[in-house]
Amino acid sequence: GAVVSQHPSWVICKSGTSVKIECRSLDFQATTMFWYRQFPKQSLMLMATSNEGSKATYEQGVEKDKFLINHASLTLSTLTVTSAHPEDSSFYICSAGAGQTAPNTGELFFGEGSRLTVL
Amino acid sequence: SQQGEEDPQALSIQEGENATMNCSYKTSINNLQWYRQNSGRGLVHLILIRSNEREKHSGRLRVTLDTSKKSSSLLITASRAADTASYFCATRNAGGTSYGKLTFGQGTILTVHP
Repeated sequence: GAVVSQHPSWVICKSGTSVKIECRSLDFQATTMFWYRQFPKQSLMLMATSNEGSKATYEQGVEKDKFLINHASLTLSTLTVTSAHPEDSSFYICSAGAGQTAPNTGELFFGEGSRLTVL
Repeated sequence: SQQGEEDPQALSIQEGENATMNCSYKTSINNLQWYRQNSGRGLVHLILIRSNEREKHSGRLRVTLDTSKKSSSLLITASRAADTASYFCATRNAGGTSYGKLTFGQGTILTVHP
């Protein structure tokens, strides 16, 4: 299956700093990627849809200035958590669909996630 | 928002037993998908069932879909300790404007004891 790589897998930072998380589609091009947030033992919450070459679409309640998304190429989307605070500590997961059939299948391939801990 | 409700929230069984997880949703869907997540890892796609399908099999997995009741079930037969994970259903709404956008259920934590 298609492979999505996410980096870093875990990061610890001080409050007030910014953290960038990368999501790469390794063997396919992804015009659209999705960023999710997951709290312990909870479901995935869609944060935003990342569109290559255009602005991301944020879900209601997600601060676009807080969570900056850049999708500069067909294989890379980045999520930057700006001025991170302890409440931003979470598990962030990206995903993408692959190929021409993806619009019909809706199957998504997920990265391994990035665990952010803000001290 | 999460539209899927899954039950049970947690399921604990012995190796060799079958595990059944249920998912309910609220809106009309294009398809319903099941994903698996090992602790601290990303999600892995298991199976997709379209709205015009009623049952689908893949290996030890059997998925049913009842669109009249807006519900689905995932059956794992002859479970193994390695099946221990969280299982999520996800729906893709019919006529959705966001390509690939999935709405996830709350998940079922499955523990299979050796």
